[in-house]
Amino acid sequence: VQLVDSGGGLVQPGGSLRLSCEASQFTFRSHWMHWVRQTPGKGLEWVAAINQDGGQKYYVDSVKGRFTISRDDAKNTLHLQMNSLRGDDTAVYWCAGGFYFDAWGRGTQVTVSS
Amino acid sequence: QPAVTQESSLTVSPGGTVTLTCDSSSGPVTSGRSPYWLQLRPGQAPRTLIYPTNNRHPWTPARFSGSLLGVKPALTLSGAQPEDEADYYCLFCSGGPCIFGGGTKLTVL
Repeated sequence: VQLVDSGGGLVQPGGSLRLSCEASQFTFRSHWMHWVRQTPGKGLEWVAAINQDGGQKYYVDSVKGRFTISRDDAKNTLHLQMNSLRGDDTAVYWCAGGFYFDAWGRGTQVTVSS
Repeated sequence: QPAVTQESSLTVSPGGTVTLTCDSSSGPVTSGRSPYWLQLRPGQAPRTLIYPTNNRHPWTPARFSGSLLGVKPALTLSGAQPEDEADYYCLFCSGGPCIFGGGTKLTVL
């Protein structure tokens, strides 16, 4: 099982980024998928989740209205569109999912700074 | 959703036993649910050790076990190894929404 997350980088406050997570050797379409982050010096924070058919989406309060999770089952890919980025969004972001959270990406760094 | 609290730090001797707990006040995500337990080492992705209810993944060493300590979910490490030094998190999920505990920094010394 492999998840490869990408799309991170340096962005100014108020800017946007789109994270992607490509799955291989993984029945992607059968699972809830999640984004999780760790801000510098702090703990893990669950960010967003999407169900198997994309009809249910959930977000942590701090990103509601700014972040959008989506999935493309034909391409085995999960996305996180991040708009109106703020300094406190600076973190390492991982995609995760599978049978009981058995699959994790390697992480992608997002830095929001002017 | 109210906070999920864990011990901020614990120390265990090599070969020793330590129990980490996860204290969740009632809320829609945590109420009545058993957590996942994850290990996070610096520079690495999280690794899920225990999934509900108290099951190990194939890669989880047998020295890790999940249980209830009174009413609190607990992760017990029996026979600590140097490589077990890491941060440990409990994670509750209710279908989609999830919430992490604050994490415990475990030192093996």
